[in-house]
Amino acid sequence: DTGVSQDPRHKITKRGQNVTFRCDPISEHNRLYWYRQTLGQGPEFLTYFQNEAQLEKSRLLSDRFSAERPKGSFSTLEIQRTEQGDSAMYLCASSKGAVLAFFGQGTRLTVV
Amino acid sequence: KQEVTQIPAALSVPEGENLVLNCSFTDSAIYNLQWFRQDPGKGLTSLLLIQSSQREQTSGRLNASLDKSSGRSTLYIAASQPGDSATYLCAVTKAAGNKLTFGGGTRVLVKP
Repeated sequence: DTGVSQDPRHKITKRGQNVTFRCDPISEHNRLYWYRQTLGQGPEFLTYFQNEAQLEKSRLLSDRFSAERPKGSFSTLEIQRTEQGDSAMYLCASSKGAVLAFFGQGTRLTVV
Repeated sequence: KQEVTQIPAALSVPEGENLVLNCSFTDSAIYNLQWFRQDPGKGLTSLLLIQSSQREQTSGRLNASLDKSSGRSTLYIAASQPGDSATYLCAVTKAAGNKLTFGGGTRVLVKP
């Protein structure tokens, strides 16, 4: 078990382009969370899944953001028509039920 | 809405000194509180988790206390080392397996 894996680690994109991030949780972890962290701030909750069901979405998750978790395994977070304000670290975490969540190393997005 | 505050935002101490990091939260109806460590550009590593019914948790040189009624937690790091230099984040959750609400973090520098 290698922990929570996120890909890519870094992404630079031009404003207006679409980007997609992937998160592979620890195997058999049924809960998966996405957070966003801007420089100098703590992470902010975006959304979470229990198995394949998306149970909660933050108001931070605008219409340009969509997350999926097909078959309750890996998850993808897509941002359409990126804006400079989307530049941040996107963190994924997973847990088994109500037990402690483990975080991945994050994907650093820079929109130029 | 739960708000978590960490003061100070940054702290610099000489090696060997004890560290005291503060965390306050506005809604005392929490399930648990966690302290995390984050190195620059990296993900989060959980240090200590305190259930709402507990008063403190200890792990090696780390000790965290919780006063739920006053909405406060303190992380003590004894005999600080340069390797303790990192950002320390506290986070609370309202229910088992629920999302984490983070503070802004305290950036710690331990000078040799």
